[in-house]
Amino acid sequence: DTGVSQDPRHKITKRGQNVTFRCDPISEHNRLYWYRQTLGQGPEFLTYFQNEAQLEKSRLLSDRFSAERPKGSFSTLEIQRTEQGDSAMYLCASSHSSTGELFFGEGSRLTVL
Amino acid sequence: QKEVEQDPGPLSVPEGAIVSLNCTYSNSAFQYFMWYRQYSRKGPELLMYTYSSGNKEDGRFTAQVDKSSKYISLFIRDSQPSDSATYLCAMDAGNMLTFGGGTRLMVKP
Repeated sequence: DTGVSQDPRHKITKRGQNVTFRCDPISEHNRLYWYRQTLGQGPEFLTYFQNEAQLEKSRLLSDRFSAERPKGSFSTLEIQRTEQGDSAMYLCASSHSSTGELFFGEGSRLTVL
Repeated sequence: QKEVEQDPGPLSVPEGAIVSLNCTYSNSAFQYFMWYRQYSRKGPELLMYTYSSGNKEDGRFTAQVDKSSKYISLFIRDSQPSDSATYLCAMDAGNMLTFGGGTRLMVKP
């Protein structure tokens, strides 16, 4: 296993379109996180899963955002009706609940025109 | 006021210098402390992880935590141009990380 994998690495879309990002965590990790990072800022928490259960959501996660982890393995983050303000790097991370150390993927960069 | 404050820099030092990076925090519930390194357009890479006050050393890196002052530091000895990156502190109260804004470090040859 080579680490956390995210796809696509870069997505350019027009305002109003829907986009979906996929994250494959490290296989033995039961926790999966989504963060958003804008230029010059630290990552901001969006949501996390323990196994298939979504345990916490940030108020940053508006109703246009939805995340799933249907079988407790990979996860998807969908943004509906994208806005220019959604342009950011979307980072996925995974960890095992016994250690707390988060390992990040390379991110999916979204550009909304 | 943000929960985690970090000087954004940029911090420019000559090769071989000792670098000190710092964060302060306000939430007493934070129990775990991490430092990440992030190169441009890449994901953050975990450098150091600690959960107790005191020092933890790993090669050229030393992480220091002072819970009584709510202050953490990362020291880099013998800095190299390859250390040029953004350094993020992160803190965990048990379920998710809260990050500082990052300090951009430039090590000049």
